[in-house]
Amino acid sequence: AQSVTQPDIHITVSEGASLELRCNYSYGATPYLFWYVQSPGQGLQLLLKYFSGDTLVQGIKGFEAEFKRSQSSFNLRKPSVHWSDAAEYFCAVGLYSGGGADGLTFGKGTHLIIQP
Amino acid sequence: NAGVTQTPKFRILKIGQSMTLQCAQDMNHNYMYWYRQDPGMGLKLIYYSVGAGITDKGEVPNGYNVSRSTTEDFPLRLELAAPSQTSVYFCASSHPTSSSGEQFFGPGTRLTVL
Repeated sequence: AQSVTQPDIHITVSEGASLELRCNYSYGATPYLFWYVQSPGQGLQLLLKYFSGDTLVQGIKGFEAEFKRSQSSFNLRKPSVHWSDAAEYFCAVGLYSGGGADGLTFGKGTHLIIQP
Repeated sequence: NAGVTQTPKFRILKIGQSMTLQCAQDMNHNYMYWYRQDPGMGLKLIYYSVGAGITDKGEVPNGYNVSRSTTEDFPLRLELAAPSQTSVYFCASSHPTSSSGEQFFGPGTRLTVL
């Protein structure tokens, strides 16, 4: 069965500093990879996705992520964080085959705290 | 487009009561999903549907039922509420021809069972 690991439950970063959130997956094939952000009391918003092609993908709000097949990783990065980036971040994987649609498997999330 | 809408936003149930969580989407998406999110955890798939009249179980289906009579609506039914069903429930949808498989999420329903 597929699984997603986000090793960091909480991360604290100073405003203006760089950020990297880790995500590792276990899957039988190359999955579709996603990063979602959830602000308190809100639903999930897609930051970026990877399914093929260039392994460095750009997303919204200045985020990017790099797919590394050899490490089964899909880490999220941002060069300079803003106080508004404080939120919960979820990595997710999915496998879409044969025209069908399976649900996504989510990691447990990383809570990002921004220090002034 | 309203996207994915969910009602109610909040609900408190007593043990043994039943209720239906409503979900609707106006994007003409064939695929719809129900997830639950427990504190400190990621989302877990309860049920999903690939089109009207077709539903299938996800990772945690016990205690829930779904139906899909139209493309737009995908209600989730709790028949005998239990404290273990206290959670935040998210509905999502996606388009079958989207090669990226992106899912669009509703704002969630926060359910407490006492």
